[in-house]
Amino acid sequence: DQQVKQNSPSLSVQEGRISILNCDYTNSMFDYFLWYKKYPAEGPTFLISISSIKDKNEDGRFTVFLNKSAKHLSLHIVPSQPGDSAVYFCAATTTSGTYKYIFGTGTRLKVLA
Amino acid sequence: KAGVTQTPRYLIKTRGQQVTLSCSPISGHRSVSWYQQTPGQGLQFLFEYFSETQRNKGNFPGRFSGRQFSNSRSEMNVSTLELGDSALYLCASSLQGRGETQYFGPGTRLLVL
Repeated sequence: DQQVKQNSPSLSVQEGRISILNCDYTNSMFDYFLWYKKYPAEGPTFLISISSIKDKNEDGRFTVFLNKSAKHLSLHIVPSQPGDSAVYFCAATTTSGTYKYIFGTGTRLKVLA
Repeated sequence: KAGVTQTPRYLIKTRGQQVTLSCSPISGHRSVSWYQQTPGQGLQFLFEYFSETQRNKGNFPGRFSGRQFSNSRSEMNVSTLELGDSALYLCASSLQGRGETQYFGPGTRLLVL
């Protein structure tokens, strides 16, 4: 049972435009969400997170939106740059108890120059 | 502050052998989690250790085991290797493992022949 889903395996965007990566979850206990970026042969790098008490968190070019009623989050990258080309993973966990982190299968973003 | 380190970075083994991977978390982090990444499967959670105790476990066979030492360093062992165990093994650390940001190491690439 895949509790965190990234339904788009890949996405191509022109440099300078907005990249929108989506993630859906099923477990209503999740209240902390994270986005990671991964280059080949490297470990994931933390990008941005959001707690369920907020619906938006921004850090430079990266903004994460959370829609709790739809159990949906998205990562917006504006403007997109060629260096953003990587695989992006969303992850979810709960801040109560010691629940593990559940990762999506990733979306490969390609930013075209 | 030094990041998460993993050794070795690359490993080639043959079927039936056993392997031990090592992870040193960020200083002060007491939670260490292990993940397996294979193409198309995202990051699959193996287990999490906190204060030398396994606190969470994923759905992997008993051939996969781990331990954590008093300095929070962790090792993961895979016995009787199978071809399907070829993957990138990632270690992540966080302060308490309770809904916080996890930081990943570069991973160990294991190839089983």
